[in-house]
Amino acid sequence: QVQLVESGGGVVQPGTSLRLSCAASGFTFSSYAMHWVRQAPGKGLEWVAVISHDGNIRNYADSVRGRFTISRDSSKNTLFLQMTSLRADDTAVYFCARARLPDTELDYWGQGTLVTVSS
Amino acid sequence: DIQMTQSPSALAASVGDRVTITCRASQSISRFLNWYQQKPGHAPNLLIYETSSLESGVPSKFSGSGSGTDFTLDISSLQPEDSATYYCQQSYSMPYNFGQGTKLEIK
Repeated sequence: QVQLVESGGGVVQPGTSLRLSCAASGFTFSSYAMHWVRQAPGKGLEWVAVISHDGNIRNYADSVRGRFTISRDSSKNTLFLQMTSLRADDTAVYFCARARLPDTELDYWGQGTLVTVSS
Repeated sequence: DIQMTQSPSALAASVGDRVTITCRASQSISRFLNWYQQKPGHAPNLLIYETSSLESGVPSKFSGSGSGTDFTLDISSLQPEDSATYYCQQSYSMPYNFGQGTKLEIK
């Protein structure tokens, strides 16, 4: 069965960096685009970033462009989100999600990992 | 960027009722509109994709319609387990923005 397991969240100070991981299993990881979506405490869903199945195409929300980098290692079936220059408003639960082919709806989601940016 | 606006932001209904949630896109998205259900402390769950296609395993009490800029999610025969927040999302063009959510309470 498809499983997505995020890790790497924690409490960090403003201006620092953090890397999130999403371990995928139960499907051919290299065939699917993957997304990151976040949810600030008590707020709605915010789309963050996407990477194509082959890693060649990446897109970002304006709120994170230039600070976050999405990447993938298909040899390890793992998706990453490198976050730099973190701000208080980056505090959220970060979900990774698989996009159904070719890259439309998000059909499987991880359980999320909490990132708290606070001094 | 395409902005997604849901209404209402919250609603309360009784067991057995039928409710409709509306999602409007700031420009045409054809039929690339998806609906998710999220319960507190859980990840979102895909309910409906491409406006009206029911995701596998989702009960037929959920249905979607629309095209262009205006879309609806209908939920019939409400049960206590339908209490959740519902989000629309466009997958027509990047960024794949979500609506702000509709919190459904079952009285």
